[in-house]
Amino acid sequence: NAGVTQTPKFQVLKTGQSMTLQCAQDMNHEYMSWYRQDPGMGLRLIHYSVGAGITDQGEVPNGYNVSRSTTEDFPLRLLSAAPSQTSVYFCASTYGGRRETQYFGPGTRLLVL
Amino acid sequence: KQEVTQIPAALSVPEGENLVLNCSFTDSAIYNLQWFRQDPGKGLTSLLLIQSSQREQTSGRLNASLDKSSGRSTLYIAASQPGDSATYLCAVKPDSWGKLQFGAGTQVVVTP
Repeated sequence: NAGVTQTPKFQVLKTGQSMTLQCAQDMNHEYMSWYRQDPGMGLRLIHYSVGAGITDQGEVPNGYNVSRSTTEDFPLRLLSAAPSQTSVYFCASTYGGRRETQYFGPGTRLLVL
Repeated sequence: KQEVTQIPAALSVPEGENLVLNCSFTDSAIYNLQWFRQDPGKGLTSLLLIQSSQREQTSGRLNASLDKSSGRSTLYIAASQPGDSATYLCAVKPDSWGKLQFGAGTQVVVTP
């Protein structure tokens, strides 16, 4: 099991550029989510998915798009990068339910100039 | 709106001392509460998960308690070691859908 994988590990963008952060899991988890982590603010939920074809917004969705065409993959798209999107992005997955923990990927560090 | 707070933001202790990390939340209607460890530049690793019906959970030197009525959880790490140096985050799960609400974390340094 590779667990939750994320690519790239680090990316530098210019304001206005677009990019896709990739996330994949091989644990057959139904639930996947994207968080961003900023200094002193903990992790905040951007978007989440409860299964293939089903996505919803989290706490800070503006400027980000997601889709879920397969159980394994949950990419996060930045349509027009802004300096405020400089952050560390984490993808997570879980079976869901009361006893299930969340598994996190190693993160993608994004710098928008 | 649920708010999760962790105090202190940073903590430094000598090796061998017991660590006590605090987490408070404003809405007691939670599904479960998790404690995570994060090493610098790395992802999060789950340490303990306490269901809403439980009072505590233990794993090795780690013990986490939950008092839902007062909106508090405490993580105890016995006989701290330099390898325990990391940031510890707590997160509450408000419903069955898996969304987590995180605290900002406590950065722990254990000095030899």
